[in-house]
Amino acid sequence: EVQLVESGGGLVQPGRSLRLSCAASGFTFDDYAMHWVRQAPGKGLEWVSGISWNSISIDYADSVKGRFTISRNNANNSLYLQMNSLRPEDTASYYCVKEDSVENWLSFDYWGQGVLVTVSS
Amino acid sequence: DIQMTQSPSSLSASVGDRVTITCRASQTITKYLNWYQQEPGKAPKLLIYAASRLQGGVPSRFSGGGFGTDFTLTISSLQPEDFATYYCQQSYSSPRTFGQGTKVEIK
Repeated sequence: EVQLVESGGGLVQPGRSLRLSCAASGFTFDDYAMHWVRQAPGKGLEWVSGISWNSISIDYADSVKGRFTISRNNANNSLYLQMNSLRPEDTASYYCVKEDSVENWLSFDYWGQGVLVTVSS
Repeated sequence: DIQMTQSPSSLSASVGDRVTITCRASQTITKYLNWYQQEPGKAPKLLIYAASRLQGGVPSRFSGGGFGTDFTLTISSLQPEDFATYYCQQSYSSPRTFGQGTKVEIK
């Protein structure tokens, strides 16, 4: 059974940093690209960042570029999101997401339960 | 960036109704269109990928169609567990943009 378990969320002041982690199990982690998707309270889904299986290809939404860094450790099946210079508009639930690369349609086939990040003074 | 526009933003329907949600892309995405269902307080769940392919375990009352810029998600006979918010998403290019969502409510 595929499981994605996020951790590291919480309340943080504007301008500070936070690091999210995602522990993956139930699939061959280093075969798949992974992503972070966020959802502000009461709002829709926003793709944040993605990383290829070998960390060679990395991309970010413009809203977080230069402030957030995605990384992964295939040896311990983990995905990370380092978030610096946090802003109130970064307040959201952050989901760890597995990409399905079957036939390269690139859908998001498994999602974690989400972790809440609140940026407020 | 490719903009995804869903309509309607919300709808009210009864159990047993046929429901159709539309999604329009600002440029062609061929068939790189996915649909997700999100129940309140839960993570999104993949329903359909490649515009019309049903994800494993998803009931056959869900179907998708379209190509290019215009797509649909249809629920043939609405069930109580289908009352949720539905999102389309393009996986044609980065950033992987989502539609704003369609909330399906009980009439």
